[in-house]
Amino acid sequence: NAGVTQTPKFRILKIGQSMTLQCTQDMNHNYMYWYRQDPGMGLKLIYYSVGAGITDKGEVPNGYNVSRSTTEDFPLRLELAAPSQTSVYFCASSYGRDTGNTIYFGEGSWLTVV
Amino acid sequence: KQEVTQIPAALSVPEGENLVLNCSFTDSAIYNLQWFRQDPGKGLTSLLLIQSSQREQTSGRLNASLDKSSGRSTLYIAASQPGDSATYLCAVRQNDMRFGAGTRLTVKP
Repeated sequence: NAGVTQTPKFRILKIGQSMTLQCTQDMNHNYMYWYRQDPGMGLKLIYYSVGAGITDKGEVPNGYNVSRSTTEDFPLRLELAAPSQTSVYFCASSYGRDTGNTIYFGEGSWLTVV
Repeated sequence: KQEVTQIPAALSVPEGENLVLNCSFTDSAIYNLQWFRQDPGKGLTSLLLIQSSQREQTSGRLNASLDKSSGRSTLYIAASQPGDSATYLCAVRQNDMRFGAGTRLTVKP
């Protein structure tokens, strides 16, 4: 039971570099999410997807892009890394948005931009 | 726009005390509310999920209540233990899921 898997776990980027955070879930969930968590803060929603081919912006989408070509995968792309993107990134998934559906989180990806 | 607020931001109690963590939200049109625990440097672990039609949920020493009309939820922890020390986050589900900033709990032996 892998659940939600994120890679890499740790990464240091230089300003202006690009990278992709990978997220895969094996629970056949329709909904997938990307959050960022700054030190001492709660989670802020970056992007989410309600199914393959459908994505939507969350609270803090600037500087990021996503795609959802399959049900399982929801990669997050940083095109021109900036120090403000130093954060912990969490991917999550759920079967739906209905009342009883629990959301499951990956273990996080720690990103530092220098 | 949904706003989720948690009070207090931090709480320190001696072992054995009962305590209450508070969560409020501005838009009552939610599908559910979930409480999570986060240990330092770790991901989130789901503790309790309350559906929009429910008033409370219990798991062991934890009890969560939901008053949707007033936009409030509380997490009650009975007989606190040092192992309960963590950050507790609440989140409300609409089309997406919005989180509060969390309450950092320290239980002193």
